[in-house]
Amino acid sequence: DAKTTQPPSMDCAEGRAANLPCNHSTISGNEYVYWYRQIHSQGPQYIIHGLKNNETNEMASLIITEDRKSSTLILPHATLRDTAVYYCIVRVALYNFNKFYFGSGTKLNVKP
Amino acid sequence: KAGVTQTPRYLIKTRGQQVTLSCSPISGHRSVSWYQQTPGQGLQFLFEYFSETQRNKGNFPGRFSGRQFSNSRSEMNVSTLELGDSALYLCASSLNGGQGANEQFFGPGTRLTVL
Repeated sequence: DAKTTQPPSMDCAEGRAANLPCNHSTISGNEYVYWYRQIHSQGPQYIIHGLKNNETNEMASLIITEDRKSSTLILPHATLRDTAVYYCIVRVALYNFNKFYFGSGTKLNVKP
Repeated sequence: KAGVTQTPRYLIKTRGQQVTLSCSPISGHRSVSWYQQTPGQGLQFLFEYFSETQRNKGNFPGRFSGRQFSNSRSEMNVSTLELGDSALYLCASSLNGGQGANEQFFGPGTRLTVL
């Protein structure tokens, strides 16, 4: 059921920006893009979401391409504590339908 | 606000037994979803409850069931346990989960081991 494609792993140097890509080429107009991360088998943690426009919060920035077929999560200054599996998810936002499709995620390794 | 809580955190059962897991959503949240996470299959959607009704269901056998109470707390039950049911079971709550953007907040999970 997964509708997203992510690289299985990425490395990033501590203090540098981490750019995590995601392809969602079959996304439809009413689907949101969400990003979550999961640290060492804890429950997934919400990071950010967007529909069309780029979004920024205290944790990250989300850049969505104009055709909405791909997006990039940016952690501006990665720390060792950002080492986790990052999931890009599309969510059908219809009334009476609430389901997240999780893909395989990207394992981000932040190195000193 | 307190987050999503799940009990128990760890559970060991034997094949053929049944198990009940509990989830208390964030106060005011009415939608509760359950997910199964295994190394081989990743995170898979089990079902979602809203206002005591199952609103959506994933592709799991009938041995997996759930319910939601009037206070939005939810339980899931797995009967006739199989070795393959060993997994991390995650509960997530959201405000209403319907139209628009409603992020889901996940609990810490219940680690079930079937021997």
